[in-house]
Amino acid sequence: GEDVEQSLFLSVREGDSSVINCTYTDSSSTYLYWYKQEPGAGLQLLTYIFSNMDMKQDQRLTVLLNKKDKHLSLRIADTQTGDSAIYFCAETGNNDMRFGAGTRLTVKP
Amino acid sequence: NAGVTQTPKFQVLKTGQSMTLQCAQDMNHEYMSWYRQDPGMGLRLIHYSVGAGITDQGEVPNGYNVSRSTTEDFPLRLLSAAPSQTSVYFCASSYSQRGYEQYFGPGTRLTVT
Repeated sequence: GEDVEQSLFLSVREGDSSVINCTYTDSSSTYLYWYKQEPGAGLQLLTYIFSNMDMKQDQRLTVLLNKKDKHLSLRIADTQTGDSAIYFCAETGNNDMRFGAGTRLTVKP
Repeated sequence: NAGVTQTPKFQVLKTGQSMTLQCAQDMNHEYMSWYRQDPGMGLRLIHYSVGAGITDQGEVPNGYNVSRSTTEDFPLRLLSAAPSQTSVYFCASSYSQRGYEQYFGPGTRLTVT
């Protein structure tokens, strides 16, 4: 089946930038998403990008898409302790939405 | 709007027991889905529905049944619980199956002993 892969952990210091990476295999992916999950809560959509775009910026969030390499990244500028959460990459194309395993971001003061 | 609601929030079952996880949404979404979340794994799709009266299997449907008699409700039934079904279950809804934001419920944490 098609896979979405992420590294499981990332730790940064408050004020630094965080970069969370994701790779996917489905070449028919048309929409790629980043979701945030805080402890004990459901997933909340942070941002998404269409496959015909290569960058999208939304305040502190920057999404970069390299469609040729099937690589997606989420950059969080000026990371705050409130950004500590699990971040899921997801994609949908011809198939149903598929999620990565999630990257646990820890922000140290 | 309450969004997507799920009940119960926590449940402990014994092996072999059956139960129904409830999911409801008040956004008039056609598409609803059930996922399970296990440690170190992404969310995996159990079943989904593209509208009232229409359901289909996802990636991991075995041991679960669903029905969709109304647009609002999409219950998930565990027929005979097994320890392998210990997981956190999320219900989600969206306007359509693809290309739209999925709204997630808060989850049900199920333990099967």
